[in-house]
Amino acid sequence: ETGVTQSPTHLIKTRGQQVTLRCSSQSGHNTVSWYQQALGQGPQFIFQYYREEENGRGNFPPRFSGLQFPNYSSELNVNALELDDSALYLCASRTLPVMGEQYFGPGTRLTVT
Amino acid sequence: GENVEQHPSTLSVQEGDSAVIKCTYSDSASNYFPWYKQELGKRPQLIIDIRSNVGEKKDQRIAVTLNKTAKHFSLHITETQPEDSAVYFCAASTQEYGNKLVFGAGTILRVKS
Repeated sequence: ETGVTQSPTHLIKTRGQQVTLRCSSQSGHNTVSWYQQALGQGPQFIFQYYREEENGRGNFPPRFSGLQFPNYSSELNVNALELDDSALYLCASRTLPVMGEQYFGPGTRLTVT
Repeated sequence: GENVEQHPSTLSVQEGDSAVIKCTYSDSASNYFPWYKQELGKRPQLIIDIRSNVGEKKDQRIAVTLNKTAKHFSLHITETQPEDSAVYFCAASTQEYGNKLVFGAGTILRVKS
């Protein structure tokens, strides 16, 4: 079992609201990536944080933003929620620049109504 | 940007038979290709990966092959068991350590006993 944890497990929000999702990386990992997984699809890369700075971003609008803290944990913030934001949000941690796999957390299921 | 196509979308095999899932990628700079297994309601877990300097890699009943010229890679599972039933995702990355993984759409594998 990997050490990546996410909170909350499930969340229901209304369109237009804002949400913050949290991720604690596995011990020793300094990089956190966030992915959005819509039902029946593969995960889509949102962005990655390394040493508290964003160092890669996918095709997501600016209302998706994030933070990484000195202990390497991370937050994903989504403003002005839309119905299409309903998905499983996964974070994955690893260590850069050392070679290694990404370890995924269990995900947060976000439902926007 | 990178695009990964995965086939088939569903695959049913009899227990003990082999299963093959194929992926193609578009970015010739991609050089890291992991495969993830995701059981219902659970996190994606890495089952095997291959780097562009290797043509084949095997781990017990699982093997992955890579054809850089044709830009495709495949997952082979031999002697399938009911516990192999899950969704399998291939992914590609232009950076060896898994930066910005681009995932395929997934293959639902059903192993019938």
